[in-house]
Amino acid sequence: AQSVSQHNHHVILSEAASLELGCNYSYGGTVNLFWYVQYPGQHLQLLLKYFSGDPLVKGIKGFEAEFIKSKFSFNLRKPSVQWSDTAEYFCAVSNQAGTALIFGKGTTLSVSS
Amino acid sequence: NAGVMQNPRHLVRRRGQEARLRCSPMKGHSHVYWYRQLPEEGLKFMVYLQKENIIDESGMPKERFSAEFPKEGPSILRIQQVVRGDSAAYFCASSLRQGTGDHEQYFGPGTRLTVT
Repeated sequence: AQSVSQHNHHVILSEAASLELGCNYSYGGTVNLFWYVQYPGQHLQLLLKYFSGDPLVKGIKGFEAEFIKSKFSFNLRKPSVQWSDTAEYFCAVSNQAGTALIFGKGTTLSVSS
Repeated sequence: NAGVMQNPRHLVRRRGQEARLRCSPMKGHSHVYWYRQLPEEGLKFMVYLQKENIIDESGMPKERFSAEFPKEGPSILRIQQVVRGDSAAYFCASSLRQGTGDHEQYFGPGTRLTVT
């Protein structure tokens, strides 16, 4: 069965620090990959997505992610985090049938000012 | 343009009662997905519906859970005879077209079910 693994459960950073959140998926075929963010008290929002083409994907709010097929990875990065980036981040992959998203367990990011 | 609406936002039920969770997709969206998030877990897919049809229910528990998306009105996730283990956040998402490839799923705020 397909699965998504997020390496970090809780990350704590100071403002202006660089961020990298790890995400690995199990399926070796064609995949569609997503990062979602959930700010405190808000619903899930799409940060960025990868379907095909350039493996470096730019998203909203200065986030980017790199798809590395050989490593089955789709890590999320931001060069300089802000206090407002405090949130929970979920990596997801579409299932083979394209009817559902398979989510990782999420990473809680806490940014101190 | 209103987003995905879910109600109620919080629902408390005693063991053995029924829980009904409602989801109104974004305007123009005819594809609805339900996910469940247990404590300390990521979201788990439950069911995917189009108007009047269940397309994929591979994530639905075999008993007590059912879902519908009628021609008119919201999608309903129904849990009969709730147990404490059903306590979770239930999220609904909708998309304009089928699948997840190029068709973003927009999520609602979720319904937090507590079973006492």
